[in-house]
Amino acid sequence: QKEVEQNSGPLSVPEGAIASLNCTYSDRGSQSFFWYRQYSGKSPELIMFIYSNGDKEDGRFTAQLNKASQYVSLLIRDSQPSDSATYLCAAHSGGGADGLTFGKGTHLIIQP
Amino acid sequence: DTAVSQTPKYLVTQMGNDKSIKCEQNLGHDTMYWYKQDSKKFLKIMFSYNNKELIINETVPNRFSPKSPDKAHLNLHINSLELGDSAVYFCASSQVHEQYFGPGTRLTVT
Repeated sequence: QKEVEQNSGPLSVPEGAIASLNCTYSDRGSQSFFWYRQYSGKSPELIMFIYSNGDKEDGRFTAQLNKASQYVSLLIRDSQPSDSATYLCAAHSGGGADGLTFGKGTHLIIQP
Repeated sequence: DTAVSQTPKYLVTQMGNDKSIKCEQNLGHDTMYWYKQDSKKFLKIMFSYNNKELIINETVPNRFSPKSPDKAHLNLHINSLELGDSAVYFCASSQVHEQYFGPGTRLTVT
């Protein structure tokens, strides 16, 4: 059974600080990993993906992957109130048409 | 300009009815998906489909069936609707592994 685990939160972070979101996965065969942001009543929006061990930066976002520890994280620098949302971590097995296995999401609140 | 679109946005129906949700993508992607997001916001894959293969999540009841008239469309048909089918259904598409989601269809079964 493929599983992705996240702390559901809420995670409360002051505006301007770094928000750190974490996720672990059970399937060692997982090849790629994704972070989606979902505002209430909206669809998931892809914000980062990472395939290789290490860090990947895009603007204020940094994704980190450690395949040995089966651990993925997302750092959001200079957090803004507009970053308040649920963040979904997802894993893909690498198979052609396989769907994503999602975690249950972490609710992030940025306090002004 | 909408990349992945779904209709209808809201669907309210009675138990036992049959309904369909339509999905279209204009991204030229090869693979499309249906996901279900339950009341606890857990997003779960139902189907993956491309020209060569259909992957069905084994937990999906056979009352649910995807139908693809062409590469840009993947519709979801649901027979004999049950109360537990109430959820938000998302269509998605991908070319490699990055998946892009439609706006969702909120299905309410009464």
